[in-house]
Amino acid sequence: DTGVSQNPRHKITKRGQNVTFRCDPISEHNRLYWYRQTLGQGPEFLTYFQNEAQLEKSRLLSDRFSAERPKGSFSTLEIQRTEQGDSAMYLCASSYRDRDQETQYFGPGTRLLVL
Amino acid sequence: AQTVTQSQPEMSVQEAETVTLSCTYDTSESDYYLFWYKQPPSRQMILVIRQEAYKQQNATENRFSVNFQKAAKSFSLKISDSQLGDAAMYFCAYRSARGNDMRFGAGTRLTVKP
Repeated sequence: DTGVSQNPRHKITKRGQNVTFRCDPISEHNRLYWYRQTLGQGPEFLTYFQNEAQLEKSRLLSDRFSAERPKGSFSTLEIQRTEQGDSAMYLCASSYRDRDQETQYFGPGTRLLVL
Repeated sequence: AQTVTQSQPEMSVQEAETVTLSCTYDTSESDYYLFWYKQPPSRQMILVIRQEAYKQQNATENRFSVNFQKAAKSFSLKISDSQLGDAAMYFCAYRSARGNDMRFGAGTRLTVKP
């Protein structure tokens, strides 16, 4: 399977704990995005990388959130001191941008439940 | 800021019939891209169709077609010959040609009745 993969698919944690999610993009894609999707809503942009550089962050990304993409391949999203409001589906997408032509391909998501 | 509005939280269609999902957006830019994504229950989001704003011709992909009205800022999705497998959440999305993030609508849940 050469699509975008995410691990774990589900995570249950207690409030105050730290969690880390991983995204493996499609191999030739140089761009990687993180989105958050709450129940009944569309995805909301969190951050994006071009290769290993994090070029844009949403105001939704509080100081408790950090994302990395070492070596421009896989990416991790860490949430420190989780809160119940962090419960959501975290989606990763990757793309290759040629001039302005770009289509983002999504992974299956990691569903986080904070108790 | 760009916003995307899907005014139909739920829609249903009889198998083999045609259904149209609505989407409007707000932007002051002239160059942008529009997308329809499908998210089946418990499965990942997949691209259905995309439209470049500079193209006057409406995009089509097999049974899926769009009605892009740039002046009205409207981008509806028509699904012809609906199949049971079309049942899903459908999201309309906007991306500026100068930007990097996509803005999504709240989605429309499509039910297909056999």
